[in-house]
Amino acid sequence: SQQGEEDPQALSIQEGENATMNCSYKTSINNLQWYRQNSGRGLVHLILIRSNEREKHSGRLRVTLDTSKKSSSLLITASRAADTASYFCATGYNKLIFGAGTRLAVHP
Amino acid sequence: DAMVIQNPRYQVTQFGKPVTLSCSQTLNHNVMYWYQQKSSQAPKLLFHYYDKDFNNEADTPDNFQSRRPNTSFCFLDIRSPGLGDAAMYLCATSTRLSYEQYFGPGTRLTVT
Repeated sequence: SQQGEEDPQALSIQEGENATMNCSYKTSINNLQWYRQNSGRGLVHLILIRSNEREKHSGRLRVTLDTSKKSSSLLITASRAADTASYFCATGYNKLIFGAGTRLAVHP
Repeated sequence: DAMVIQNPRYQVTQFGKPVTLSCSQTLNHNVMYWYQQKSSQAPKLLFHYYDKDFNNEADTPDNFQSRRPNTSFCFLDIRSPGLGDAAMYLCATSTRLSYEQYFGPGTRLTVT
């Protein structure tokens, strides 16, 4: 079963704008990961944040984790058309449980 | 480049006709996974292997089976595909010590 929910389900923005996606989960975690999936393709790992971390950066990506609220957010700054994809959070060790995903569309 | 390869990328099969999907990896990872992803849904784990040790998810239908003859290859067998089995099937790998999984491009299965 899915670990949690993501919102929004879909997000449409213009190039250059920031995109924020949120993920909630139900059980205690050791870490949380974010993956990207381009249409009809496999998933690509973006970033992992451990349960003792509150914020992590990787290039234009910023991830936050609030274990008290069982939630995480992914911020993509200065978005590009190439960022158009679905984004999933996932929890677990080896056996990943994915959130429902956010479909991001970035328009030129 | 080290990678996860899935063949075929697109597979059409008839209702009830057995089908096999394949996955190979050059990463030398000892854990391999099969996920099912239906349209606009999250991937759902079907089963995984720690080396040759097979681990089936409790809600994976008996219709789905898997083989891993060696470290590099893993197969997903669907014995009698139904219309509800139409989906993208994703293979992934990882090491025992890593949380990150590496995914193949997927095989899109159509059942007619």
